[in-house]
Amino acid sequence: GAVVSQHPSRVICKSGTSVKIECRSLDFQATTMFWYRQFPKQSLMLMATSNEGSKATYEQGVEKDKFLINHASLTLSTLTVTSAHPEDSSFYICSARATGGMGETQYFGPGTRLLVL
Amino acid sequence: AQSVAQPEDQVNVAEGNPLTVKCTYSVSGNPYLFWYVQYPNRGLQFLLKYITGDNLVKGSYGFEAEFNKSQTSFHLKKPSALVSDSALYFCAVRDIPRGSQGNLIFGKGTKLSVKP
Repeated sequence: GAVVSQHPSRVICKSGTSVKIECRSLDFQATTMFWYRQFPKQSLMLMATSNEGSKATYEQGVEKDKFLINHASLTLSTLTVTSAHPEDSSFYICSARATGGMGETQYFGPGTRLLVL
Repeated sequence: AQSVAQPEDQVNVAEGNPLTVKCTYSVSGNPYLFWYVQYPNRGLQFLLKYITGDNLVKGSYGFEAEFNKSQTSFHLKKPSALVSDSALYFCAVRDIPRGSQGNLIFGKGTKLSVKP
């Protein structure tokens, strides 16, 4: 299957700082990328959907000024958690969907564990 | 509203026995159905999908799933479970209404535990 990478895999930061997470599709071009958040022992919660070159579409209740998403190219999307607080600590997972025949399957990155102290 | 239900929080199976992880769905339009597996502290790995065609879909690691339109189900199965199959399994559906690409809607997940 297609490969999606995320960096960093784990990050610890102080409250009030900003953290950037990168998501890359390594062997395909992703017209659409998704960012999810997962709490312990729970399912994935979609935060936002981004199409290359367009503004992200945020799900209800997700603050777009706090969770900045950039999808500047067909292989890279970034999520920046601005002014992070302890309640932002979570497991963040990105996902990418390609163009054409692969368009029906979403491939997921390995996730980023964020801990805000 | 679209939804996916995984009625079991946990499924326990002895190694070598067949396993079934249940999933039912409710969508408008034709469903695209997926199964993913998640190992601890990892992202989701794609197992298989149903788009169209044969109702029995074969996927990775010996897993298969049967699409049943009348029962709106897409249960995941494997004839002989391995201890290494122990993980969290998510069923997902993507509705494709006309003019939209749709988003994945996930079930809450089922923890599969395979004992030696």
